[in-house]
Amino acid sequence: DAKTTQPPSMDCAEGRAANLPCNHSTISGNEYVYWYRQIHSQGPQYIIHGLKNNETNEMASLIITEDRKSSTLILPHATLRDTAVYYCIVRLSSGSARQLTFGSGTQLTVLP
Amino acid sequence: GAGVSQSPSNKVTEKGKDVELRCDPISGHTALYWYRQSLGQGLEFLIYFQGNSAPDKSGLPSDRFSAERTGGSVSTLTIQRTQQEDSAVYLCASSYPSTSRELFFGEGSRLTVL
Repeated sequence: DAKTTQPPSMDCAEGRAANLPCNHSTISGNEYVYWYRQIHSQGPQYIIHGLKNNETNEMASLIITEDRKSSTLILPHATLRDTAVYYCIVRLSSGSARQLTFGSGTQLTVLP
Repeated sequence: GAGVSQSPSNKVTEKGKDVELRCDPISGHTALYWYRQSLGQGLEFLIYFQGNSAPDKSGLPSDRFSAERTGGSVSTLTIQRTQQEDSAVYLCASSYPSTSRELFFGEGSRLTVL
């Protein structure tokens, strides 16, 4: 699986958009980009995933560059409850028994 | 149940004792994962079960660690002769087998080895 690079920490004002970047320059054509987050003392929570096209759901938007070498997770109106570690992961879509590999993620702190 | 259930939520044990951690995945999920998360660290993959296939044990840190999954459902992670460095949160996750499916995590079992 391709490796991802994320900034270790970011701050965001409450009510503003939080834009979390992720570099995955070695991503291959059949790898998906996944985002999870982990609120303190809880298990990780799935947010969104995509392959090529931008995606949006009730939690966030995922913007993937045309060359797929990077992506941005957007929380449109961050709240204090969005304070968490955000993990960007790339995953093979081959169906073989592959585990997700979580890096260190980005600690997002939403400030009041 | 509605989500992935793990027990116990907290376990304190003495060095050298054996411990068993249980994971009850979401019904219908054939893929099951165990991860370990030490304080302030990212998730470390331990083992992966998919249906009746042989498990991927490549992440188990030593032969003191083992896991089984009975009947394709409940899984037990066993740590023998626990050491202080085994102290961590042990997280279980399950998913459908489809390649692009997300993982659903439990709340974890916090293990403290004194």
